Amino acid sequence: EAGVTQFPSHSVIEKGQTVTLRCDPISGHDNLYWYRRVMGKEIKFLLHFVKESKQDESGMPNNRFLAERTGGTYSTLKVQPAELEDSGVYFCAVRQSMNTEAFFGQGTRLTVV
Amino acid sequence: RKEVEQDPGPFNVPEGATVAFNCTYSNSASQSFFWYRQDCRKEPKLLMSVYSSGNEDGRFTAQLNRASQYISLLIRDSKLSDSATYLCVVTPGTALIFGKGTTLSVSS
Repeated sequence: EAGVTQFPSHSVIEKGQTVTLRCDPISGHDNLYWYRRVMGKEIKFLLHFVKESKQDESGMPNNRFLAERTGGTYSTLKVQPAELEDSGVYFCAVRQSMNTEAFFGQGTRLTVV
Repeated sequence: RKEVEQDPGPFNVPEGATVAFNCTYSNSASQSFFWYRQDCRKEPKLLMSVYSSGNEDGRFTAQLNRASQYISLLIRDSKLSDSATYLCVVTPGTALIFGKGTTLSVSS
């Protein structure tokens, strides 16, 4: 079975540009999460989808970040316009239910210069 | 106070050593607890779930003390391949909340 796939693996953009990160989850895993790890800090929760609905977006840093999950399948996270502090590794994770293992994608390393 | 706090580390130990990691969490409503492992520049992967009764998986033993809001991970007979960052994870709601992680380096 394919795991969680994230695109791109790396992205380097200039401040003010737009970037869209994509996550393709494991089929049948309704719970999809986005996380971010900034250098030297803990992995921080951004938001949680259950199928196509946003269950919890309390971790989204500001309105420059927009997440969508089309038809409850793949998800995108758009940053517009990007700022220097947005640099970090963005992870997507999926779970079948609340008490089960979360499977992570390999992450997208975003660098804003 | 951070939601999940871990020993700062790093822990540098020789092969064969026993090492223990501690973690405390602030939200008493947390229901599920996990230890994840993250290798350098890789994604986190589940090491083991943590149950109230304590649980063991080979050389790894996890303990949970709900009254003290404390979780531990014990690694016996450390191997070189155990070198990684160990992440304490709790779920006070629907999301997994991570500690900063403790780095373990096992040397020969």
